[in-house]
Amino acid sequence: GAGVSQSPRYKVAKRGQDVALRCDPISGHVSLFWYQQALGQGPEFLTYFQNEAQLDKSGLPSDRFFAERPEGSVSTLKIQRTQQEDSAVYLCASSPGPATSNQPQHFGDGTRLSIL
Amino acid sequence: EDKVVQSPLSLVVHEGDTVTLNCSYEVTNFRSLLWYKQEKKAPTFLFMLTSSGIEKKSGRLSSILDKKELFSILNITATQTGDSAVYLCAVANTPLVFGKGTRLSVIA
Repeated sequence: GAGVSQSPRYKVAKRGQDVALRCDPISGHVSLFWYQQALGQGPEFLTYFQNEAQLDKSGLPSDRFFAERPEGSVSTLKIQRTQQEDSAVYLCASSPGPATSNQPQHFGDGTRLSIL
Repeated sequence: EDKVVQSPLSLVVHEGDTVTLNCSYEVTNFRSLLWYKQEKKAPTFLFMLTSSGIEKKSGRLSSILDKKELFSILNITATQTGDSAVYLCAVANTPLVFGKGTRLSVIA
């Protein structure tokens, strides 16, 4: 597609439920990033894929967070046993080359997750 | 720890004013500095700066980087209400490290 597509746009879940957020990057983009953006804050890095390889997951806040990109295109971020502090906008970004190639990242519109 | 600090955090101006947004940084492995504009949705890319002293321009927006003093500025001249947004500064280490953003409100 023309840009990074994320779904759903909004997700409301009860505390303790599992959620799955989807990201469809720009076609052919090698790198895919997930960020978490709390209200009034800048995005914070969660994890990075180069093709299907998850090269950096240092930003994942706990083992309840899991991300995958099995075929090197679409990625899913899964949060298990959600807690209220997981409420945030989850942004996905992609870029044409590896992270070290110094190319700008292009962002999707994000998924706004609210945990009740 | 890598850090990006933006100032001011918020700013209200009238249409036609010129504004300067500031970004200072401390990172262990600097590759580039990027500016994004975020309205209600995706951050949209504005500029990427890698070299000191070279101004990048796009219409009424311009930006410059000082790698010695570790800061960048984003200038917007002749502001319009459509410029109202949060402006995010990020430094490329391996992931992007973002500042908190500057919320700009342009009133008619």
